[in-house]
Amino acid sequence: GAGVSQSPRYKVAKRGQDVALRCDPISGHVSLFWYQQALGQGPEFLTYFQNEAQLDKSGLPSDRFFAERPEGSVSTLKIQRTQQEDSAVYLCASSDFPESYNEQFFGPGTRLTVL
Amino acid sequence: GDSVTQMEGPVTLSEEAFLTINCTYTATGYPSLFWYVQYPGEGLQLLLKATKADDKGSNKGFEATYRKETTSFHLEKGSVQVSDSAVYFCALLPSGYSTLTFGKGTMLLVSP
Repeated sequence: GAGVSQSPRYKVAKRGQDVALRCDPISGHVSLFWYQQALGQGPEFLTYFQNEAQLDKSGLPSDRFFAERPEGSVSTLKIQRTQQEDSAVYLCASSDFPESYNEQFFGPGTRLTVL
Repeated sequence: GDSVTQMEGPVTLSEEAFLTINCTYTATGYPSLFWYVQYPGEGLQLLLKATKADDKGSNKGFEATYRKETTSFHLEKGSVQVSDSAVYFCALLPSGYSTLTFGKGTMLLVSP
């Protein structure tokens, strides 16, 4: 079956623009995660959904970052008034259950470049 | 807080050489430990995992043993191939939580 998909794969934004990044998880997966991966670094946690409920948003770096998953499937990460430090790859992952040992399946990421 | 430390890369090896990528962690309780691999242009893929002390995870010739006494989870492979060239990430999942903490990644370059 299809894996996690993300769109767009690449996004170039001018500083101050708003962007929206989409994640389509594996069908039926309950949990959805967003991570931010800066160049040369490992992914860092941003936020976590269980179905439509956002259970943890402690990793969001500022109030310019907002994520939603209104129907418990597709998720959108929105960044308002983008800044150069927002340039990174944004990874989405899904899992079929929020158990600690369950595998998280990652999408290919969206590479955001803010000029 | 929880953290993962990996050896810095790139690690450059010839085909059929032995591979070790070191990973140590800091965490309270009993985390689960993972190795993820990222091939060029692709998303992260789970390579192997271990959920308790002394467990050995293995996949595709790669192995790692969960050593609680040394808080380590070193990745090993007896004979690497050119196709193993990728970035390898060590990660932990704290007990009772769902979010992964990753190391910075180690790039492996294997030449023919």
